[in-house]
Amino acid sequence: NAGVMQNPRHLVRRRGQEARLRCSPMKGHSHVYWYRQLPEEGLKFMVYLQKENIIDESGMPKERFSAEFPKEGPSILRIQQVVRGDSAAYFCASSPQGGGNTIYFGEGSWLTVV
Amino acid sequence: AQSVTQPDIHITVSEGASLELRCNYSYGATPYLFWYVQSPGQGLQLLLKYFSGDTLVQGIKGFEAEFKRSQSSFNLRKPSVHWSDAAEYFCAVLNTGTASKLTFGTGTRLQVTL
Repeated sequence: NAGVMQNPRHLVRRRGQEARLRCSPMKGHSHVYWYRQLPEEGLKFMVYLQKENIIDESGMPKERFSAEFPKEGPSILRIQQVVRGDSAAYFCASSPQGGGNTIYFGEGSWLTVV
Repeated sequence: AQSVTQPDIHITVSEGASLELRCNYSYGATPYLFWYVQSPGQGLQLLLKYFSGDTLVQGIKGFEAEFKRSQSSFNLRKPSVHWSDAAEYFCAVLNTGTASKLTFGTGTRLQVTL
């Protein structure tokens, strides 16, 4: 029973490039969340999606960041024109439904911007 | 808005000693509370959760936590720490409103001395 799968686990990008992080939720889960963990900090909520729908993106930076969860395939977190400050661990999580269920996390994707 | 405070940034205990990690939350309604553990370079593993019912909850790896509404606390305990427990521990509260999302504390780093 596979858990939340994220790839790549590690990604290095030069400033100005694009970063794409993928997340496949646990089987049977239709809700996906993205969190960011900056060095020496806790996790901060970024966005909450259901299939083909963004439910809450209140934690997403206004520019350069976008997320989607298409009908088919994984959820994608996209960061355009990366800057050094984007270097962080990005965690995806999933749950079977919103509102009170346990949220399970993936292993994370570590982005380094050089 | 909900918030979580973990007042201890770093704790060191001897192997075999007891452990208590503090967590205080602020949330308007009945809180759903979680403790996660993160080893370096790894994702978050759920230790235990409280939704309702018995205020003393048992988790994996011998951990337990007690929900105290009067003190707005959800402290994590373990009677005898093992060297493998060295990790970062995060307390979180779930917003069960229209957008289910976790609010995390800043974490407590546990060091275990032999």
